[in-house]
Amino acid sequence: GENVEQHPSTLSVQEGDSAVIKCTYSDSASNYFPWYKQELGKGPQLIIDIRSNVGEKKDQRIAVTLNKTAKHFSLHITETQPEDSAVYFCAAIWDSSASKIIFGSGTRLSIRP
Amino acid sequence: KAGVTQTPRYLIKTRGQQVTLSCSPISGHRSVSWYQQTPGQGLQFLFEYFSETQRNKGNFPGRFSGRQFSNSRSEMNVSTLELGDSALYLCASSLADTRGETQYFGPGTRLLVL
Repeated sequence: GENVEQHPSTLSVQEGDSAVIKCTYSDSASNYFPWYKQELGKGPQLIIDIRSNVGEKKDQRIAVTLNKTAKHFSLHITETQPEDSAVYFCAAIWDSSASKIIFGSGTRLSIRP
Repeated sequence: KAGVTQTPRYLIKTRGQQVTLSCSPISGHRSVSWYQQTPGQGLQFLFEYFSETQRNKGNFPGRFSGRQFSNSRSEMNVSTLELGDSALYLCASSLADTRGETQYFGPGTRLLVL
């Protein structure tokens, strides 16, 4: 069945350094890949997304890259700040007759001051 | 524009009871999806409603049901609650004119079953 694997499950980086989170999906029919940030006590918040016809997308300190051949996509956060500490989820959506989203297991990112 | 709102935010029930959760989507959004989030299983898709019709359903037992009203507000119901139903229930809305639209999540309803 459809599956999204996310690594690492926890990540600790020094403030100002970069953080990279990677996801691999199983179904080549996936065509939309959002990333969500979830802070304690809140629902997931969309931070960036990419569609299958694009290889890379950037929004200030956040970027996402997609490799359709290898079926993996990555989130890159540069110049990390304390407010970047949260749980990050990747997801993949199959744009078929059933609109279904499959989430990765999440990465808990901690920024060390 | 107001975000997705969910009520109640917290709920405590006992086994065997039933519960109804409510979700109001972003104005203009016609699709509402529900998810269950637990530490062990992560985020799991429950179902999606679009224009008052269930468009897709995840792998959950029939005790979990939902509906959508003409104003796009949605409710989900869980009957005969079990301890394992304790979770954060998240609602997300999207324009959903086409598949694969960006989904915006509410803050969730935290359900504790005793």
